Amino acid sequence: DAGVIQSPRHEVTEMGQEVTLRCKPISGHNSLFWYRQTMMRGLELLIYFNNNVPIDDSGMPEDRFSAKMPNASFSTLKIQPSEPRDSAVYFCASSLHRGGYEQYFGPGTRLTVT
Amino acid sequence: GQQVMQIPQYQHVQEGEDFTTYCNSSTTLSNIQWYKQRPGGHPVFLIQLVKSGEVKKQKRLTFQFGEAKKNSSLHITATQTTDVGTYFCAGGSGNTGKLIFGQGTTLQVKP
Repeated sequence: DAGVIQSPRHEVTEMGQEVTLRCKPISGHNSLFWYRQTMMRGLELLIYFNNNVPIDDSGMPEDRFSAKMPNASFSTLKIQPSEPRDSAVYFCASSLHRGGYEQYFGPGTRLTVT
Repeated sequence: GQQVMQIPQYQHVQEGEDFTTYCNSSTTLSNIQWYKQRPGGHPVFLIQLVKSGEVKKQKRLTFQFGEAKKNSSLHITATQTTDVGTYFCAGGSGNTGKLIFGQGTTLQVKP
């Protein structure tokens, strides 16, 4: 079975550019989570969706960040404009149920903003 | 807001020694999950604890959930080089599905 798929795996961009990260959750999972991981701040939850609806976006750092889930099999995280402090590994995870079920993480997108 | 603290941040052990990481939440949890992340990899689910005082074992790994459902521990007996990685606890509250991750404990094992 295919796990969570993320693209691109690596992204290098210049400050001010728009960045779009993509995620395909595991088929049948109805919750999707976006995380950011850095050495300084660890693993932070940015936003999560249940049945394609954003439930909690309190972790989104600024208005420069936005996330969408147009259907059950696709989500995007967009940063516009990007800044060097956005450099991090961004993980997408999905789970079968919104409460108490294990999360399956994708391989992550390593973003570098110069 | 809810916080999950994990200690120690780093642990170096000799192969064959035991290892323990501790997790404490500022609020009562509905469940706690543990994940392992290998260097350069992504977090992988290990186990979930739900009941007060629950203890679960996976081979050399023993997981405990505190009586007050605010703390947890992971103990590895006789570490091996394959145990290298960062171990995260993640606390869940209510039925939201949202997890708050601890900072993780990075384990290094010297052969």
